[in-house]
Amino acid sequence: EVQLLESGGGLVQPGGSLRLSCAASGFAFSSYAMSWVRQAPGKGLEWVSAITGSGGSTYYADSVKGRFTISRDNSKNTLFLQMNSLRGEDTAVYYCADSSAWFYWGQGTLVTVSS
Amino acid sequence: QSVLTQPPSVSAAPGQKVTISCSGSSSNIGNNDVSWYQQLPETAPQLLIYGNDKRPSGIPDRFSGSKSGTSATLGITGLQTGDEADYYCGTWDSSLHYVFGTGTKVTVL
Repeated sequence: EVQLLESGGGLVQPGGSLRLSCAASGFAFSSYAMSWVRQAPGKGLEWVSAITGSGGSTYYADSVKGRFTISRDNSKNTLFLQMNSLRGEDTAVYYCADSSAWFYWGQGTLVTVSS
Repeated sequence: QSVLTQPPSVSAAPGQKVTISCSGSSSNIGNNDVSWYQQLPETAPQLLIYGNDKRPSGIPDRFSGSKSGTSATLGITGLQTGDEADYYCGTWDSSLHYVFGTGTKVTVL
């Protein structure tokens, strides 16, 4: 059974940092490009960042470029999102998903940026 | 701000049909395949249609997709109360960013 399990969300003050993790199982993780997608409360889906299967190439939405860093550890089947200089508008549920096919999605982890 | 435009809401009675449009441009839909996602309340999105018109295993044939030029359409026939959800289109754009539609809420009357 395929599973994507996000963790690391929580409450953080503006300007703070947080590191999200996404543990994958049940599929050939290293063969899949992966993405982070977020959804602010009551809003639509927003793609945040993507990384190729090897980790050699990364892509970012303009709204997070320079503040967020996506990475992966294929030996541990885990995807990461390092989020720095957090702002109120970064408050959202963050989902990891396979962006090779967009078939597999995690259940999401909530990040709240507030003082 | 999304570059793919969808109607905010559509509605129909049980058993009827609804269609949801997704309008983009040559830098996204015009040159890339479109996917559609269903998001039931308080759950993660689920892939409904990929490659413009293909259904993953387990998705009923009541759901269909099509693409023409810079627009795509999702159709749902035999509408059921369980189809009440938010629906999003999505595709890659020329800058290798993934773009989602603005989202459409389907209501079964």
